[in-house]
Amino acid sequence: GAGVSQSPSNKVTEKGKDVELRCDPISGHTALYWYRQRLGQGLEFLIYFQGNSAPDKSGLPSDRFSAERTGESVSTLTIQRTQQEDSAVYLCASSPSGVLAETQYFGPGTRLLVL
Amino acid sequence: AQSVSQHNHHVILSEAASLELGCNYSYGGTVNLFWYVQYPGQHLQLLLKYFSGDPLVKGIKGFEAEFIKSKFSFNLRKPSVQWSDTAEYFCAVKGGGNKLVFGAGTILRVKS
Repeated sequence: GAGVSQSPSNKVTEKGKDVELRCDPISGHTALYWYRQRLGQGLEFLIYFQGNSAPDKSGLPSDRFSAERTGESVSTLTIQRTQQEDSAVYLCASSPSGVLAETQYFGPGTRLLVL
Repeated sequence: AQSVSQHNHHVILSEAASLELGCNYSYGGTVNLFWYVQYPGQHLQLLLKYFSGDPLVKGIKGFEAEFIKSKFSFNLRKPSVQWSDTAEYFCAVKGGGNKLVFGAGTILRVKS
């Protein structure tokens, strides 16, 4: 079946502009995660959605970052007034419920470059 | 706070050499442990995982990892690497909470 998809695959923007990144999780997966990977570093947790529960936003680095998810479908990550330090690969992952809930399936990522 | 340490950032091996990538974590409670792999140009894929039971877990492509609770370690091993194992390998831990905590990754290059 189809995996996690993300768009765009690459985004170049100017400092100060807003960007919106999209994630389509695997159908039926109730949980959705956003991570950020800076060059040469591991993945950094940003936000977690589980069904209709309130999201876990504990990893968002500043109030310029926000994310939404409608039900158990698409999620968008928005970065307002982008800064050069926001340049990174933004990864989305989804996981099913039940006994397989601990395994996350990752998308290909969106590579963001802020000039 | 949870953290994961991967001992080597770059490893270069010849084909048929044995591989061991170190991973240590800091978290006092029950953990789920993972190794993910990212092949060149591809996205992260699950290599293997440990939730409970036998501390020696086997994954895809001949990889295995051993959970040693007393050492807070989850090292990845493969007896004989192939050129196609060239990739970046990430150790990850899920303790209390919703998120995976990742190590910085180890880039493995296998010379043919």
